[in-house]
Amino acid sequence: AQKVTQAQTEISVVEKEDVTLDCVYETRDTTYYLFWYKQPPSGELVFLIRRNSFDEQNEISGRYSWNFQKSTSSFNFTITASQVVDSAVYFCALSESILTGGGNKLTFGTGTQLKVEL
Amino acid sequence: EAGVAQSPRYKIIEKRQSVAFWCNPISGHATLYWYQQILGQGPKLLIQFQNNGVVDDSQLPKDRFSAERLKGVDSTLKIQPAKLEDSAVYLCASSLSGISRVYEQYFGPGTRLTVT
Repeated sequence: AQKVTQAQTEISVVEKEDVTLDCVYETRDTTYYLFWYKQPPSGELVFLIRRNSFDEQNEISGRYSWNFQKSTSSFNFTITASQVVDSAVYFCALSESILTGGGNKLTFGTGTQLKVEL
Repeated sequence: EAGVAQSPRYKIIEKRQSVAFWCNPISGHATLYWYQQILGQGPKLLIQFQNNGVVDDSQLPKDRFSAERLKGVDSTLKIQPAKLEDSAVYLCASSLSGISRVYEQYFGPGTRLTVT
């Protein structure tokens, strides 16, 4: 069975600090996808990134970057120069191979609450 | 492009009552998902539809929960009778569907259910 572990329950930083959110996953599949979602206080989950298991290149999008390492089964998320608007719960999720009939099943971690203070 | 719509946003009911949630996915998204998110936890998939057919309902408590997507667009999720432990946020999501790739899911604002 697949599993996602986000060991950091809550992180507090001061604005402009860099912060890294950890994600460790378990799967038996050789083909899988990893995701990060942001859940601000409004409650709606916002898609941030999708990465498949064959692409280990790190990705940068503005102040966001992701470090995927298959050797350690980790997919960590770094926010550079954090801002108050980054305050939210961040979820890492894993999807294994496509289900018969289409679509995919996401397994979420328990989330990391990030608080960015002035 | 309009996002995933859900209603109501909030609902308070007493235990043993019934409740229904509605979801309208993003236009063109064949796959629709219902998740349950208990406070402090990640979302847990309840049921997944591909058009109007069920793909996965292995985690749906079928003795009290039911869902349908009759015309392959809108969907309703019903709980009857509700229990205290059903208090949670119910999230609807939708995605494109492909044979050879996995697409990201887009989520609605959720319905916060409180059972007293």
